[in-house]
Amino acid sequence: NAGVTQTPKFRVLKTGQSMTLLCAQDMNHEYMYWYRQDPGMGLRLIHYSVGEGTTAKGEVPDGYNVSRLKKQNFLLGLESAAPSQTSVYFCASSYWGQVYQETQYFGPGTRLLVL
Amino acid sequence: GNSVTQMEGPVTLSEEAFLTINCTYTATGYPSLFWYVQYPGEGLQLLLKATKADDKGSNKGFEATYRKETTSFHLEKGSVQVSDSAVYFCALLNTGNQFYFGTGTSLTVIP
Repeated sequence: NAGVTQTPKFRVLKTGQSMTLLCAQDMNHEYMYWYRQDPGMGLRLIHYSVGEGTTAKGEVPDGYNVSRLKKQNFLLGLESAAPSQTSVYFCASSYWGQVYQETQYFGPGTRLLVL
Repeated sequence: GNSVTQMEGPVTLSEEAFLTINCTYTATGYPSLFWYVQYPGEGLQLLLKATKADDKGSNKGFEATYRKETTSFHLEKGSVQVSDSAVYFCALLNTGNQFYFGTGTSLTVIP
């Protein structure tokens, strides 16, 4: 089992460019999440998905779009990158079983720098 | 609403010292509580969890007790090692299955 993987590991963008971050999990988890991690801010939820074909907004969704066309993949898109989107992005997944005891499994992160 | 507040870092300790990292929470309903650890260059890993009041989570010598009366979930370890150097995140999981993370506390253990 690879667990949760993220592609790419690091990327530099110019303001206005677009890109897609890919998250893949091989644990058959229903739930998937995208977070961003900024210094002094902890992790903040961008978007999440409760199953294939569904997505929902988290705490900081503006400037991002997501898609969950396959159960194992969760894509995060930046249509027009801004310097404020410089961050480390983490994907996570969890199995929707006993709601109160769910553990999230995290990928290694994608470091994004927007110039 | 839901939120997690944890002590500011960074924390620097000598090897074998006692560790406490404070965490308090605000939540609607009855959340589960977690500590995650992030080693340099890696993603977050679950360290321990507690799902109801008075539960104690423990792992790798770390412990935390779910205290509903003080809305706290403080992390403790009796004797830290250099390998414990990492960033520690307190988190709650609410009834809507959403996680709320604290800002993280960086721990450095020196030999």
